[in-house]
Amino acid sequence: SQQGEEDPQALSIQEGENATMNCSYKTSINNLQWYRQNSGRGLVHLILIRSNEREKHSGRLRVTLDTSKKSSSLLITASRAADTASYFCATDPFRRKIIFGKGTRLHILP
Amino acid sequence: DTEVTQTPKHLVMGMTNKKSLKCEQHMGHRAMYWYKQKAKKPPELMFVYSYEKLSINESVPSRFSPECPNSSLLNLHLHALQPEDSALYLCASSQESGQEVYTGELFFGEGSRLTVL
Repeated sequence: SQQGEEDPQALSIQEGENATMNCSYKTSINNLQWYRQNSGRGLVHLILIRSNEREKHSGRLRVTLDTSKKSSSLLITASRAADTASYFCATDPFRRKIIFGKGTRLHILP
Repeated sequence: DTEVTQTPKHLVMGMTNKKSLKCEQHMGHRAMYWYKQKAKKPPELMFVYSYEKLSINESVPSRFSPECPNSSLLNLHLHALQPEDSALYLCASSQESGQEVYTGELFFGEGSRLTVL
C-alpha cells in the first residue's frame, strides 16, 4: 500500500524556474526522504529530513516537513535540463519498511 | 565503493523457466531490499533482509523466492512467473540502525528489467 502521495503528478516548467513538489502521507514517520529517478534507471537519494526537523537545504534543494499536516515539499531552485526526472518521497511507517509515494514527473523545458 | 550492482540488466523468460536476479554491494550495509517497479509507478517493496535474515515479506507470491547468502549478496529466484510480473526489479541497500553513521538512505542498483512471455 502507498504511504505517500505526491502532487502534482506531472510538472513542466521552463529552465531556470523553480519547481515545487508536495508529498502527503498517512501515518507517523521517523524520516522522510526524497529520491530522483531518471527514466528506467535506479533511484538516487536526494535528501532526508527527520521527523523533528522542519526544513533542510542541500545545494539547490529545499525540503520542508510539517508533521502536523503529514506533508512535505521539495523545492528545486534554478532548474536545469538535467533535473528532468521523476521525484518520489519515501517514508518509513515501520522500521526498515520504506514506502514510496506515487511520484511527480518533472520536465524542464529548454 | 558506493555501488550496488545488479545482474542481469535485462532478462526475458518463459512462464515455465527458472531464473535468478543477483545484487551485490560492498559498502558494509547490513540491510538489503528488493523492490518491483511497473512503468510510471512507484517502486513497491517486496522483501527486506537485515543481517542476512528475512525481516519483511510484503505478501509476495511464492513464485518469488529471495535469498541472502552473505552480507554482500542478495538473490531473487524466479519460478513459474506470469506476464504481469514483467517489471523493473530494483535492489537497494542501507546501513542498519545501530551501525556507525546510520543515515536511513537507500542506495539503489540500476535494476534488472524482466520480461515474462
